[in-house]
Amino acid sequence: DVKVTQSSRYLVKRTGEKVFLECVQDMDHENMFWYRQDPGLGLRLIYFSYDVKMKEKGDIPEGYSVSREKKERFSLILESASTNQTSMYLCASSLFRTGANTIYFGEGSWLTVV
Amino acid sequence: GQQLNQSPQSMFIQEGEDVSMNCTSSSIFNTWLWYKQEPGEGPVLLIALYKAGELTSNGRLTAQFGITRKDSFLNISASIPSDVGIYFCAGQPSGGSQGNLIFGKGTKLSVKP
Repeated sequence: DVKVTQSSRYLVKRTGEKVFLECVQDMDHENMFWYRQDPGLGLRLIYFSYDVKMKEKGDIPEGYSVSREKKERFSLILESASTNQTSMYLCASSLFRTGANTIYFGEGSWLTVV
Repeated sequence: GQQLNQSPQSMFIQEGEDVSMNCTSSSIFNTWLWYKQEPGEGPVLLIALYKAGELTSNGRLTAQFGITRKDSFLNISASIPSDVGIYFCAGQPSGGSQGNLIFGKGTKLSVKP
């Protein structure tokens, strides 16, 4: 079974703090993704990576950065957290398959910025 | 940008009833995926569809990839209380990049025992 593990389920951070959200997958997937999920807005793609050290902006990259130093690990970084970044963050991964992209999600990280 | 229309937004049904929900798109998709998300958890993949016309079952769940490649439906037969959750469709547009999955807004299912 595919396993996508997010290191922190629940975090509370102060405005201006630097926040790291870590994600690890154990299926040797090339692609990894970070989404945020908000009521009424659905899932929105922040960044994705299709290879080590490669990254692509998604729909809402502002205020975020990412790091992919190893194939199995994809980190989301909030350089200076703000209250509008309070949300549920979902990491996901998939195999590189042209025309057939099946994404598997982690359990989610609930971030509250106060 | 591209959007998926998922309907209905919510359903409140009696245990034992069958459920049907669908997603439509204005453009052609290569892949259709169906997920279930329970409160406080990440979405879990239920069914993946890769070919137009494909009909796939997973227990009491059945999903189909529409012939036009612009729609998909998910049916749940004989619903039970543990079917409660939000069901999302997702699709990969034809010619889209590896990261370009489009998600529906979800169908919230409530089941009354």
